[in-house]
Amino acid sequence: DIQMTQSPSSLSASVGDRVIISCRASQSVSSYLNWYQQKPGKAPKLLMYAVSSLQSGVPLRFSGSGSGTDFTLTISSLDPEDFATYYCQQSYSIPQTFGQGTKVEI
Amino acid sequence: EVQLVQSGAEVKEPGESLKISCKGSGYTFTNYWIAWVRQMPGKGLEWMGIVHPGDSDTRYNPPFRGQVTISGDKSISTAYLQWRSLKASDTGMYYCARQRYGQSPADYWGQGTLVTVSS
Repeated sequence: DIQMTQSPSSLSASVGDRVIISCRASQSVSSYLNWYQQKPGKAPKLLMYAVSSLQSGVPLRFSGSGSGTDFTLTISSLDPEDFATYYCQQSYSIPQTFGQGTKVEI
Repeated sequence: EVQLVQSGAEVKEPGESLKISCKGSGYTFTNYWIAWVRQMPGKGLEWMGIVHPGDSDTRYNPPFRGQVTISGDKSISTAYLQWRSLKASDTGMYYCARQRYGQSPADYWGQGTLVTVSS
């Protein structure tokens, strides 16, 4: 199985801050790297797919980059609604696997 | 509007069986895979497996193979996750999610079904 490791596990930030979350795969996942946002008590929501493609309706302050094994999710200017947990996921091979999550706190 | 609507919360005792459901609407159900994802209390997301309702092709994450059965009924646009004998460690939130292809992201998610297994 491909292991996905996110860093940091949690971070504290303020509204307006630039936030970068990293995700590393144990082997290449090509461009099959997706990001999800989950708020407490809610289902995950797809933010980004294929490394850098923004899902419809997702604000432009979110962006993704990377290739092969190293990827990042960037929030250019943190908005109050962005405080949540973020997960990367590889869909390159089965079983698809998620990172352990990064909790973005105030 | 695409929707995945899951069955309601369940409270079961160890050893009991359970089948939860996920009904799709607003799209052609047989054109998409349905994945099941577990989230244990306070923990992250675990991909359990996936089914293609069109031909019932099913793939499992090895730790879940033999522990659960994933299936689909295209006639009623519904996917299922079932257990023969629940354990306390099965307690958690279970989400279904839609994927266009096996390598696609999960673009729509159900609201989740909370399963509590306790004596």
